[in-house]
Amino acid sequence: QKEVEQNSGPLSVPEGAIASLNCTYSDRGSQSFFWYRQYSGKSPELIMFIYSNGDKEDGRFTAQLNKASQYVSLLIRDSQPSDSATYLCAVNRKSSGNTGKLIFGQGTTLQVKP
Amino acid sequence: GAVVSQHPSRVICKSGTSVKIECRSLDFQATTMFWYRQFPKQSLMLMATSNEGSKATYEQGVEKDKFLINHASLTLSTLTVTSAHPEDSSFYICSTMTVNEQFFGPGTRLTVL
Repeated sequence: QKEVEQNSGPLSVPEGAIASLNCTYSDRGSQSFFWYRQYSGKSPELIMFIYSNGDKEDGRFTAQLNKASQYVSLLIRDSQPSDSATYLCAVNRKSSGNTGKLIFGQGTTLQVKP
Repeated sequence: GAVVSQHPSRVICKSGTSVKIECRSLDFQATTMFWYRQFPKQSLMLMATSNEGSKATYEQGVEKDKFLINHASLTLSTLTVTSAHPEDSSFYICSTMTVNEQFFGPGTRLTVL
């Protein structure tokens, strides 16, 4: 079992729709959770992070965390073609002696069709 | 967020040569930097954690003698791929960390012929 799992997709949604991206993790000691967006040939850019159970909203993006179910998701409202990219879920386990180590999922490719 | 630069952005070399990649934290003193590798269609894999003034910590399966890391100052970490081979061709990305966030450099595309 991978530590961080995502459906590789592609996930295809029409422009203006809500895109829902999901991520599960295996280590219950995980403390913080990140969503990154990566365009082809570019490095990842941070969208948002979440530490506490519940929802966190930032503009068109909402992250949802459920530690009991070991599940984190990202909702993108009013999806735009420019949102087409690979979305990476990352988890910070803060394993001993290595603060800040991020474990990445394989990423979900999102396609927003005009 | 923190601004991170990498140089070069792209390098092509012959098999057997060594390649040095620089990672600079432009507006932040980074005691810790991370080096990742990403093969096509795959996710980022952490290679090592670079600590200013001390030895890097390598992830399991990463050869420390092949991937030399030097973090001599709070703004610069270097990764040297020694005796590069075609299987080392990949996208190498560094990152720095603020309190709780990691910011990535633009990456270096290495192609070994």
